Order: sequence, then C-alpha cells, then structure tokens
Amino acid sequence: TQLLEQSPQFLSIQEGENLTVYCNSSSVFSSLQWYRQEPGEGPVLLVTVVTGGEVKKLKRLTFQFGDARKDSSLHITAAQPGDTGLYLCAGEDNTDKLIFGTGTRLQVFP
Amino acid sequence: DSGVTQTPKHLITATGQRVTLRCSPRSGDLSVYWYQQSLDQGLQFLIQYYNGEERAKGNILERFSAQQFPDLHSELNLSSLELGDSALYFCASSVGGGGSPLHFGNGTRLTVT
Repeated sequence: TQLLEQSPQFLSIQEGENLTVYCNSSSVFSSLQWYRQEPGEGPVLLVTVVTGGEVKKLKRLTFQFGDARKDSSLHITAAQPGDTGLYLCAGEDNTDKLIFGTGTRLQVFP
Repeated sequence: DSGVTQTPKHLITATGQRVTLRCSPRSGDLSVYWYQQSLDQGLQFLIQYYNGEERAKGNILERFSAQQFPDLHSELNLSSLELGDSALYFCASSVGGGGSPLHFGNGTRLTVT
C-alpha cells in the first residue's frame, strides 16, 4: 500500500508568517493533488500537479511536485486567518485510487 | 457548493444497528467514492463505483457495503455498528476514475452510542 506522510502534523502561526507543508512517499505517483478542508465541510481541491519538478502558484500558495514524483510541498506566503484549515495531499496510486495523506492542520492567528 | 449532496448530515444510533448513507453526485460525474474520516486518522478510502459498477475497494469492512444505482446516486450501508464506526463519512464524485479531481459532499457525521 502506498502511503503519503505529511509534515508537520500541526502548525500554529501568526498572521503574516510564511510556512511550508511537506507530503512525502517512498512510492511514485502519476499525479498529486492538494485539498483544503474547513470544519464541517468536505475537502476542496486546490491544485493538481502532474509533471516531476512542476511548480504551480495560486495567489499566495506555491505548490511543487518533486522531480521523482514521490514528494510535494505547499508553501504559503504571508499567511492569513482565512488560510486556517486541514491541508491534505492526495496521490493517484498504481491501482488508480486516490490515496490521501495524513493531513496538516494549520491555525493562523490574527 | 461542490454539487455533491449527502444525506443525512447527522446520524446518531446505537451499537448493533444498521444505517444507510446516501449520496447524489455532481451532475455529469460517473464516479462515486466513499471515504471515512476519524478524528485521529486522515481520509480512509472505502470504495469507488464507476457508472454503476464497483471499480476499486479500499479498507472497507465486511459489515459495510455500497452500491451505485442507475441514476448514479450511491448508498453506503453500515451494519452491526460498533462504537469505533463513529466518524465522518464523505462521498465524492468525479468525471472519470484514476486521478480525476474529486468533488466532496459535506459528509455525514455518524455517532454510535
């Protein structure tokens, strides 16, 4: 079974700080997605990365897919309280299932 | 609004009982997925259907079963419920299978007492 480990598990920061969340695996994924989940709601897709080394930017969020397609990172610049939530990476495994990472719970204080 | 509808929002039941969770996928989506989310765990994949047929199975207990109907809505049946089955159950849909982006409903919170 392919596993996706996310770190850190919890992150509590002040508004305006930068942060990076990591998503790592020993397996290769054909694509990787990042979702954000807010309390009481289902996860919402932020981005999909497909090519090794790919970098995608979504306003203050920067997503990178590792060259070997085994890992990914999410960097948030100047975090805001609205960024608070559970961040989940998800990779398409070798049986075409989408496997979710362990999650990073981010709290941004004003 | 993701377009995925799950009912009921909340369910409280006793151990040993059976419940049915319902999901209507986003219009045009053929794939339906079921995930379980517990407090101390991430999203655990249970099962996937594509156009009425089972496509993939995850860590789904034998006490659990699901189906996708001709109108593409899906039901997840949980029987002989145990305290440990208390969790959020999410349904998601996508256009196809594989790595297609998922659109999630807002979940059904199941509490087994």
